[in-house]
Amino acid sequence: EAGVVQSPRYKIIEKKQPVAFWCNPISGHNTLYWYLQNLGQGPELLIRYENEEAVDDSQLPKDRFSAERLKGVDSTLKIQPAELGDSAVYLCASSLDQGPRELFFGEGSRLTVL
Amino acid sequence: AQSVAQPEDQVNVAEGNPLTVKCTYSVSGNPYLFWYVQYPNRGLQFLLKYITGDNLVKGSYGFEAEFNKSQTSFHLKKPSALVSDSALYFCAVRDRQAGTALIFGKGTTLSVSS
Repeated sequence: EAGVVQSPRYKIIEKKQPVAFWCNPISGHNTLYWYLQNLGQGPELLIRYENEEAVDDSQLPKDRFSAERLKGVDSTLKIQPAELGDSAVYLCASSLDQGPRELFFGEGSRLTVL
Repeated sequence: AQSVAQPEDQVNVAEGNPLTVKCTYSVSGNPYLFWYVQYPNRGLQFLLKYITGDNLVKGSYGFEAEFNKSQTSFHLKKPSALVSDSALYFCAVRDRQAGTALIFGKGTTLSVSS
């Protein structure tokens, strides 16, 4: 069974440029998460989807960040425009549902903003 | 509000010795508790979880964790450490009543010397 797939693995951009990250969850997983991980820190939730509905986006900086999960499968996280402080690893995870299920994580997309 | 604390940034043990990585949590209701491990430049991997029942939970790679409700702790343990156990470990909690997403601690780096 394929795991959670994320792309790109690494991205270097200049500030004020846009960037997008893509995630394909494990097949059949209804719940999809985007987490932000700063160096030396634990993951912090940005947004959680149940199927195609964003049920928790309270930590998503909506002035520059947007996300979508059309058709309830893969998802895209976008930043426009990027700022220096956005340099971090963006982790995607999925689970069967929101119960006591463990999350399965992708390998992350490391963003460097110059 | 829910939170997780990992009081040690780093734990150092010699190979073959027992290891403990500490975690305390705070939730308004009853918790689901998880441990994840992260190797350099990789996503998080699930180790074990506590849902209900036996306070001692066994997981992958010989790890186990003990749930202590009175001390609101969920310490990760292993009887005999391996050099290959060296990695970054995260404790995570979710309030089963609140329906919120998984909240992670800031992580503890485990270093096992040969």
